[in-house]
Amino acid sequence: KNEVEQSPQNLTAQEGEFITINCSYSVGISALHWLQQHPGGGIVSLFMLSSGKKKHGRLIATINIQEKHSSLHITASHPRDSAVYICAAHPNTGNQFYFGTGTSLTVIP
Amino acid sequence: IAGITQAPTSQILAAGRRMTLRCTQDMRHNAMYWYRQDLGLGLRLIHYSNTAGTTGKGEVPDGYSVSRANTDDFPLTLASAVPSQTSVYFCASRRDSYMNTEAFFGQGTRLTVV
Repeated sequence: KNEVEQSPQNLTAQEGEFITINCSYSVGISALHWLQQHPGGGIVSLFMLSSGKKKHGRLIATINIQEKHSSLHITASHPRDSAVYICAAHPNTGNQFYFGTGTSLTVIP
Repeated sequence: IAGITQAPTSQILAAGRRMTLRCTQDMRHNAMYWYRQDLGLGLRLIHYSNTAGTTGKGEVPDGYSVSRANTDDFPLTLASAVPSQTSVYFCASRRDSYMNTEAFFGQGTRLTVV
């Protein structure tokens, strides 16, 4: 059983499209993290949120604690956004993350 | 440059050999983690350390050991490598394990055991 589920697994979009990646979790959490991994590259933290919404440039992350759901949105997508996006839940108890298996995004020029 | 550094970036290793993956951070973070990343399985925790001098087992600890002699370094050792340990290994750190703090990841070590 996966405590964190992401959808879709793979996503292809045209440049300029609005993109949404979803994350659902089944455990009580203290925070939800969104991570980005470029092909062959390291992992970078994009957002850490425990309520509401955060925005950084063209990226927006939202979380609904009651529904145990978070979304990552990318506005005006660009080929450089092509990467794997990983959702990670930090549970209320314990100190280890539960990771989703990632969403592979490809933005075509 | 502040951050978290892993070495080597890639390695081909003969089965049965011993190997230590190095991880160093200069952010004075208390919590450090080792993950392996495999296709379709995502990131899985191997071992963790909440503070210098302490370590704990994660989801997939068998065949691996760690030490945390000081705050900065958290090496991961494969005592006798097997092909199933072929993976990409990521080291990560956070300021504290019990607080909502951002996680920082190394660039990864791609290990192939043949």
